[in-house]
Amino acid sequence: AQKVTQAQTEISVVEKEDVTLDCVYETRDTTYYLFWYKQPPSGELVFLIRRNSFDEQNEISGRYSWNFQKSTSSFNFTITASQVVDSAVYFCALSEANTGNQFYFGTGTSLTVIP
Amino acid sequence: DVKVTQSSRYLVKRTGEKVFLECVQDMDHENMFWYRQDPGLGLRLIYFSYDVKMKEKGDIPEGYSVSREKKERFSLILESASTNQTSMYLCASSSGSSYNEQFFGPGTRLTVL
Repeated sequence: AQKVTQAQTEISVVEKEDVTLDCVYETRDTTYYLFWYKQPPSGELVFLIRRNSFDEQNEISGRYSWNFQKSTSSFNFTITASQVVDSAVYFCALSEANTGNQFYFGTGTSLTVIP
Repeated sequence: DVKVTQSSRYLVKRTGEKVFLECVQDMDHENMFWYRQDPGLGLRLIYFSYDVKMKEKGDIPEGYSVSREKKERFSLILESASTNQTSMYLCASSSGSSYNEQFFGPGTRLTVL
């Protein structure tokens, strides 16, 4: 079974629109960590954020914000006032404290911001 | 800054050839990983290693092997390349526990003809 689901395969928005990328995860561990990565056209994955299972506070970093809800097993990522440079593939990932250092990645969401 | 480098950005090989993909990290990380990335399938783990000479199978190890003789270097080996191994290969490294993020190399796009 897929541990991390990113149901949105591709999203297109017009510049300055807000966009939310969904991530739903599945785990039986009580201690786990969630991550978001950005993969620009150059190809290298760039780490954006980590959240641990005990910290449900939302986080904001500039135009980026993350909403972690354990009740719905979701860790959604919102980009406010999108820009062309936000065009990339975004991956959500899960690691579990009891299963070593392996990451489980979603299939990614390809975001295109149209100028 | 952590730097993960991969030996080639693009590689073209023929069916049946033995292929070596090299990955080097410069931050003394214990953990190293090899993934392949295919459209619609995301990143799939091939092998990983927690320490020198240690290796663990990931989700799709068939057709691949790995070698970690030194802490900083993790090699992926395709013993006899096949066309279905045409893909983007990503190497990553991390330190310590599952809490820590993985740092990725730029990827190697392998084409097997």
